[in-house]
Amino acid sequence: IVLTQSPGTLSLSPGERATLSCRASQSVTSNYLAWYQQKPGQAPRLLIYSASTRATGIPDRFSGSGSGTDFTLTISRLESEDFAVYYCHQYGGSPPLTFGGGTRVEIK
Amino acid sequence: QLQLQESGPGLVRPSETLSLTCTVSDGSISSGSYYWGWIRQPPGKGLEWIGNIYYSGYTYYNPSLRSRVTISIDTSKTQFSLKLSSVAAADTAVYYCARHDLALGNLVDFWGQGTLVTVSS
Repeated sequence: IVLTQSPGTLSLSPGERATLSCRASQSVTSNYLAWYQQKPGQAPRLLIYSASTRATGIPDRFSGSGSGTDFTLTISRLESEDFAVYYCHQYGGSPPLTFGGGTRVEIK
Repeated sequence: QLQLQESGPGLVRPSETLSLTCTVSDGSISSGSYYWGWIRQPPGKGLEWIGNIYYSGYTYYNPSLRSRVTISIDTSKTQFSLKLSSVAAADTAVYYCARHDLALGNLVDFWGQGTLVTVSS
């Protein structure tokens, strides 16, 4: 399954709302779609799994939605620590597991 | 608390074999609840899943790398390993070991810190 993320870069100001898209080339089994945040020099951090379940310790300004082939990560009000690269990841069905190409959220 | 720690050479010559080991700190490597895997990220690029292994030794590999990849496990040492043969410059990447939680559908829920491997003569 190929995952296409858009936009490639999102330029926003702190306090604004960020909407990130992830589109799959075919339906994601059981909506097994996750979102990760990655900052420079760090491993990815799990934010959302099963399309809409927040991982432990993730603030409620992060939310995930969608099903089938279209998924969205929303950050309701950007804080300074949220500027990073975000990846979607499908882990359902037969291997290989795949990742999207990433969306960079940068300070405007 | 779980820690995953990658170890191995940071420099590999072209055409040789890249070898990395991941040590699992909490003993859960023998749990039937997880697969243990490898993911890589070329500098400035996105993430690529390489493959994973169950405590019993059952493996899944990315078809794009299958001919060159071997993942093995040693539960007595609480370690699993990656071998990638016939490496080229395109294999230069940060290599992460990771845990896949079967209860959550094979979700990658925990990552090591990553280790940079450079392929160069």
